[in-house]
Amino acid sequence: QKEVEQNSGPLSVPEGAIASLNCTYSDRGSQSFFWYRQYSGKSPELIMFIYSNGDKEDGRFTAQLNKASQYVSLLIRDSQPSDSATYLCAVKGAAGNKLTFGGGTRVLVKP
Amino acid sequence: EAGVAQSPRYKIIEKRQSVAFWCNPISGHATLYWYQQILGQGPKLLIQFQNNGVVDDSQLPKDRFSAERLKGVDSTLKIQPAKLEDSAVYLCASSLSRDAQYFGPGTRLTVL
Repeated sequence: QKEVEQNSGPLSVPEGAIASLNCTYSDRGSQSFFWYRQYSGKSPELIMFIYSNGDKEDGRFTAQLNKASQYVSLLIRDSQPSDSATYLCAVKGAAGNKLTFGGGTRVLVKP
Repeated sequence: EAGVAQSPRYKIIEKRQSVAFWCNPISGHATLYWYQQILGQGPKLLIQFQNNGVVDDSQLPKDRFSAERLKGVDSTLKIQPAKLEDSAVYLCASSLSRDAQYFGPGTRLTVL
């Protein structure tokens, strides 16, 4: 079982719709959760982080965390073609600062 | 504020040759990380430094990979000898304590 799992996609959404990305993790002691966006040929760029159960909103992005279910999600509202990228879920475990990444979900926003 | 700097951006070598990558973290960031990202996969941590010391190198192939961080700032990652399966993007990242990690542009390595 992988430590951090994501659906590889592609997740195809029409422009203006909501894109919903999911991530599950195996380390129950994980403390911090991050979403990175990675455009093709570029390095990962931090877009959201969340530490506590519940929702956290930042502009068009909402991160949702449920530690009991070991589940973290990212919603992208009013999706734009510029949101087309791979979204990486990363989880920081209970010990140290080690970040474990999922394989990423590729999102395609169609005009 | 300047971001994480890496060089070179691209490198092509023959198998069994050696190669070195350089990273300069964001000013003031005590923690520095090297990741390997193979095409289609998420980044995999190779080594983590806290100031000059190694915190985690459990996934570093120590028979061929080495890394150092002198004076707690710049870092170099070396591969010797390179294998075909080392073809990947090598990402350097830095962070303050618990905070998020910020990535440099990466070095794309092709081993022929």
